Amino acid sequence: DTEVTQTPKHLVMGMTNKKSLKCEQHMGHRAMYWYKQKAKKPPELMFVYSYEKLSINESVPSRFSPECPNSSLLNLHLHALQPEDSALYLCASSRLGQGHDEQFFGPGTRLTVL
Amino acid sequence: DAKTTQPNSMESNEEEPVHLPCNHSTISGTDYIHWYRQLPSQGPEYVIHGLTSNVNNRMASLAIAEDRKSSTLILHRATLRDAAVYYCILRSWGKLQFGAGTQVVVTP
Repeated sequence: DTEVTQTPKHLVMGMTNKKSLKCEQHMGHRAMYWYKQKAKKPPELMFVYSYEKLSINESVPSRFSPECPNSSLLNLHLHALQPEDSALYLCASSRLGQGHDEQFFGPGTRLTVL
Repeated sequence: DAKTTQPNSMESNEEEPVHLPCNHSTISGTDYIHWYRQLPSQGPEYVIHGLTSNVNNRMASLAIAEDRKSSTLILHRATLRDAAVYYCILRSWGKLQFGAGTQVVVTP
């Protein structure tokens, strides 16, 4: 199984809502990532987890809260988002997070904030 | 972080080879050169990576300059399914920092 799954595929939320994005992989990978991608732009790294510990936070606002409850699961909790946070949110995983590791990406969650 | 420079777009005819250049003059000794592609409405997909030597796999070939300051991704016979944005990325640990990428257009 070389797949990264993300749920939901689409999410519409108001600025006062709390929601969560979920990402799962069963490849035994120990590094997991969240990216944000705006239309016609490249993905931007948000967070990196290594062995279930947060290792990189790219100065992401606190309204985005990541969580890695176990080695297969990665969540992104959303609260009090702004319309400019509307984007495609991509999850990825890699074996150990080293320079030669291939990253496997999920299909993304398309988020719209009203 | 080391930066890459790619042309905005390239066009190719179907079944012709495509050579995608990438400049990375500030590459460090520990940076691997990665290529990913993103088809419309999909997440990025790994294509190939290398450190110093040229690399081949079933998808493409990667030619790395001797001084490692540039590289070229070669798609040997472009198909319509190869139309995508191709990203050249330098990676040492943890981060995969995407540049603007090259939009490849394949015409029948």
